[in-house]
Amino acid sequence: NAGVTQTPKFRILKIGQSMTLQCAQDMNHNYMYWYRQDPGMGLKLIYYSVGAGITDKGEVPNGYNVSRSTTEDFPLRLELAAPSQTSVYFCASSFAQGVPDGYTFGSGTRLTVV
Amino acid sequence: AQKVTQAQTEISVVEKEDVTLDCVYETRDTTYYLFWYKQPPSGELVFLIRRNSFDEQNEISGRYSWNFQKSTSSFNFTITASQVVDSAVYFCALSENTGGFKTIFGAGTRLFVKA
Repeated sequence: NAGVTQTPKFRILKIGQSMTLQCAQDMNHNYMYWYRQDPGMGLKLIYYSVGAGITDKGEVPNGYNVSRSTTEDFPLRLELAAPSQTSVYFCASSFAQGVPDGYTFGSGTRLTVV
Repeated sequence: AQKVTQAQTEISVVEKEDVTLDCVYETRDTTYYLFWYKQPPSGELVFLIRRNSFDEQNEISGRYSWNFQKSTSSFNFTITASQVVDSAVYFCALSENTGGFKTIFGAGTRLFVKA
């Protein structure tokens, strides 16, 4: 049982490049989330999904896009990378049926934009 | 709007000391959920506990205990007889009963436990 799998673990992008951060879970969780963690700032919600085909913005969605075509996968797309997007990105999932369970997090992707 | 405040940025203790991590939250909802997560130096995030707003009973799990007080909007976390392995960043978090149970996190408290 792998839990939440994120790839890649590390990536360096040049300004203006694009990339997709992959996230997959095998727990049949209905809810999935993308957060970014900047030093000393806690985690900020980028996008979330309550099920396949349904996504919505979080606190800091600008510069990102998501899709959720299946229950398992929730990729995060960065278009036109900027230095401000240098951060650690965490994908998380949870099961919620009336009451939310705690999140299961992936191991994170450390992204540097130069 | 919801908000989570962890006023203690860093705490340093000597092994076997007790330590309390403070968490104060703000929400307009009457139904909400509070969480604590641990982030050890390796970087992964680990769920520790969830508390529902309608259940103010305190909880103990081994050396960990949580004190939830709605009157002061606080959800504090105490580690008894701390150990070096407790060294980590601890995040308090709040989820409201709407919008996909989005969770907002406090800035975290970094705990150093010295041998």
